[in-house]
Amino acid sequence: EVQLVESGGGSVQPGGSLRLSCAASGFTFRSRDMNWVRQAPGKGLEWVSYISSTGGIIYHADSVKGRFGISRDNAENSLFLQMNSLRAEDTAVYYCVGCGNGYGFDYWGQGTLVTVSS
Amino acid sequence: EIVLTQSPGTLSLSPGERATLSCRASQSVSSTYLAWYQQKPGQAPRLLIYGASSRATGIPDRFSGSGSGTDFTLTISRLEPEDFAVYFCQQYGSSPPFTFGPGTKVDIK
Repeated sequence: EVQLVESGGGSVQPGGSLRLSCAASGFTFRSRDMNWVRQAPGKGLEWVSYISSTGGIIYHADSVKGRFGISRDNAENSLFLQMNSLRAEDTAVYYCVGCGNGYGFDYWGQGTLVTVSS
Repeated sequence: EIVLTQSPGTLSLSPGERATLSCRASQSVSSTYLAWYQQKPGQAPRLLIYGASSRATGIPDRFSGSGSGTDFTLTISRLEPEDFAVYFCQQYGSSPPFTFGPGTKVDIK
């Protein structure tokens, strides 16, 4: 069974930092491209960051570029999102999401809530 | 950036009825990279359709996707009680951003 379990969410003041983690199991993690997708309370889905299976290709949404960094450890089957200079508008549930080439975003974690507030 | 627009915003239907959801792109999207997701309250989204028309693993055949270019459609042939949810389309083409539409809520009439 595919499992993606996010952790590291919580409350932080504006300007602060958080590091999200995602533990993967039930599939060959090192073969999968991975993403972070977020959803603000009561709102739609927003793609945040992408990392290729080897970690060699990375993309970020303009809204987080220069503030967030995605990384992975294939030996530990883990995905990370380092979030710096957090803003109120970064408040959201953050999902760890796997994708296959041309197959859509098929593996989703249950999400971790990040709240940025003073 | 490709912007996706979904219509209607809300679709009120009864169980057993047919649901037709639309997703329109601001520029042409390769059919290979158009997906549909279902999300229920308090749950993560679930992939329904990828490549515009291919059902994901375990998705019932009452769900079907079609379209090309800038116009795509998700059809639910006969609504079951568990189908009342929010549906998002997404383009995940060769370069980011991998944008989502704003969603269509299918609720019980």
